[in-house]
Amino acid sequence: GQNIDQPTEMTATEGAIVQINCTYQTSGFNGLFWYQQHAGEAPTFLSYNVLDGLEEKGRFSSFLSRSKGYSYLLLKELQMKDSASYLCAVRDRSNDYKLSFGAGTTVTVRA
Amino acid sequence: DAGITQSPRHKVTETGTPVTLRCHQTENHRYMYWYRQDPGHGLRLIHYSYGVKDTDKGEVSDGYSVSRSKTEDFLLTLESATSSQTSVYFCAISERGGNTEAFFGQGTRLTVV
Repeated sequence: GQNIDQPTEMTATEGAIVQINCTYQTSGFNGLFWYQQHAGEAPTFLSYNVLDGLEEKGRFSSFLSRSKGYSYLLLKELQMKDSASYLCAVRDRSNDYKLSFGAGTTVTVRA
Repeated sequence: DAGITQSPRHKVTETGTPVTLRCHQTENHRYMYWYRQDPGHGLRLIHYSYGVKDTDKGEVSDGYSVSRSKTEDFLLTLESATSSQTSVYFCAISERGGNTEAFFGQGTRLTVV
């Protein structure tokens, strides 16, 4: 199975940068996903990493190091609408390619 | 947005009663999933399906059963609801079980009293 850890809460100021870390342990890593979930809503896909390195998508970037079992999601130029929970999920080929999720990191953006 | 609809959106039921939640998709995706989301636990997989009449258990399947008689519909049944099954239930779909993203429904908030 997987052991996925991410911080419970983070707070940052509008316009700033926040980095959300995710560590995982898996026997058959097959990709890491980041999802955003606003309160009371469904998770929505943000990014996917399967190879080491940085993937950039506008204000959001995601990094992966498979050897370290580590990823981070970087949110730049924070806006109030970025206040949400951010979920790290790992796909494992030894677990029938099912997605396992971390408990999520709640980010609060303050003016 | 992916065409995925859950019903009902909210339900209150009594302990010991059967409950069925429905997930309907219009994307013709092969894979469908049921998750529950609880504070401090994140999303946990209950059951999933990789085709019509092909289903398998997730990590928290006890007390739940599923059925998929058509590509577009995936039903989750609580045979005899318990208070520990009070949760928010999400259905998700994906085109392949491998490297593609999953799309989530809006969720069903179930309260067992």
